[in-house]
Amino acid sequence: GAVVSQHPSWVICKSGTSVKIECRSLDFQATTMFWYRQFPKQSLMLMATSNEGSKATYEQGVEKDKFLINHASLTLSTLTVTSAHPEDSSFYICSAAAPPEETQYFGPGTRLLVL
Amino acid sequence: DAKTTQPNSMESNEEEPVHLPCNHSTISGTDYIHWYRQLPSQGPEYVIHGLTSNVNNRMASLAIAEDRKSSTLILHRATLRDAAVYYCILRKSYNTDKLIFGTGTRLQVFP
Repeated sequence: GAVVSQHPSWVICKSGTSVKIECRSLDFQATTMFWYRQFPKQSLMLMATSNEGSKATYEQGVEKDKFLINHASLTLSTLTVTSAHPEDSSFYICSAAAPPEETQYFGPGTRLLVL
Repeated sequence: DAKTTQPNSMESNEEEPVHLPCNHSTISGTDYIHWYRQLPSQGPEYVIHGLTSNVNNRMASLAIAEDRKSSTLILHRATLRDAAVYYCILRKSYNTDKLIFGTGTRLQVFP
């Protein structure tokens, strides 16, 4: 149980385009999901908390207009990187809080390369 | 937020026990101790968590000091697949609190 998937697993795009990453909880419902970013040889950095049916809460320094988060259902949250630039190239990882203890389970990550 | 301190790296031989320490001297009464590990190019994997009592599951054991200012993740018999970065994270007991990752301990396992 407690499986989280992400799609796509990797994506290459041109600078200026937008990229959407999906995060799904496969066998549980998650009112809260989280989005992280990880640069090479660094730790995970929390970007935002995604709450089903309401606006996401962004961490300090994360541009909400650039990283659009939608949590439209209890099993799906999406992160859209708008007008991507090479500096947005990173490993994006989501997690979902599973009831009853709201333990976070992580997806396998999405590697984004912006050319 | 209460902070944790872990050694940057540790080494072990295959089939030997591994004790991964974590210091959290500023832990509060509502903080749970969570452990995750991350294999290369993968998302973190939940390992175990606890509050006061020692905990065991199929992956590992968690030993928590009586004053809760430190804890130890115990892998009873290390395998090559246990080579990963291990993160010790404090999280509040109320629902859906976020996880703040530190730098973790990189565990190397030698055959």
